[in-house]
Amino acid sequence: AQTVTQSQPEMSVQEAETVTLSCTYDTSENNYYLFWYKQPPSRQMILVIRQEAYKQQNATENRFSVNFQKAAKSFSLKISDSQLGDTAMYFCAFIDTGANSKLTFGKGITLSVRP
Amino acid sequence: ETGVTQTPRHLVMGMTNKKSLKCEQHLGHNAMYWYKQSAKKPLELMFVYNFKEQTENNSVPSRFSPECPNSSHLFLHLHTLQPEDSALYLCASSHNLLPGTGSNYGYTFGSGTRLTVV
Repeated sequence: AQTVTQSQPEMSVQEAETVTLSCTYDTSENNYYLFWYKQPPSRQMILVIRQEAYKQQNATENRFSVNFQKAAKSFSLKISDSQLGDTAMYFCAFIDTGANSKLTFGKGITLSVRP
Repeated sequence: ETGVTQTPRHLVMGMTNKKSLKCEQHLGHNAMYWYKQSAKKPLELMFVYNFKEQTENNSVPSRFSPECPNSSHLFLHLHTLQPEDSALYLCASSHNLLPGTGSNYGYTFGSGTRLTVV
């Protein structure tokens, strides 16, 4: 079974600075997808960024980028130029390409951006 | 709005009540999911429906009863719940059971129903 581990329960960052959120996962599969979701106080789970395991290039979406280390099974999220609106819970998630695979989440991390 | 709508947004119910949660998606997706989100725990997958057929039940107690009349609507019927069932219940949908590619990539979530059992 796949597991996703987010060991940091919470982090804080000053506005305009950079912060990195950690995530590790465990799987025996070779083909899979990784995601970071953001859940603000509105509770809407919003997709931030995604990465296909077969792609060596790290995904980037504006201020959000990932450091995908397949051998180490690590998938960290870097937020540059942090904004107050980035305050939210962030969840790392995994899904493989098997027929019955489902999205598996980590416990999440609470990120606070300080003005 | 993501295209996945959940109602009600908040629900308080007694342990002897019967209530239902509703999820509706207008994305043309074929798979729908119920997740339970409790504090300090990962999201727990409860049920999966694909083309209206239930494909997964993750050992969920029978006091939770899902219903999927069509690919756009998903219900979660609740009866004789326990206080530990209090949580945020999230509905999600995807184009199909596989992650997909391009614009069909990933799961789309609703805003959830905050359930409190008293």
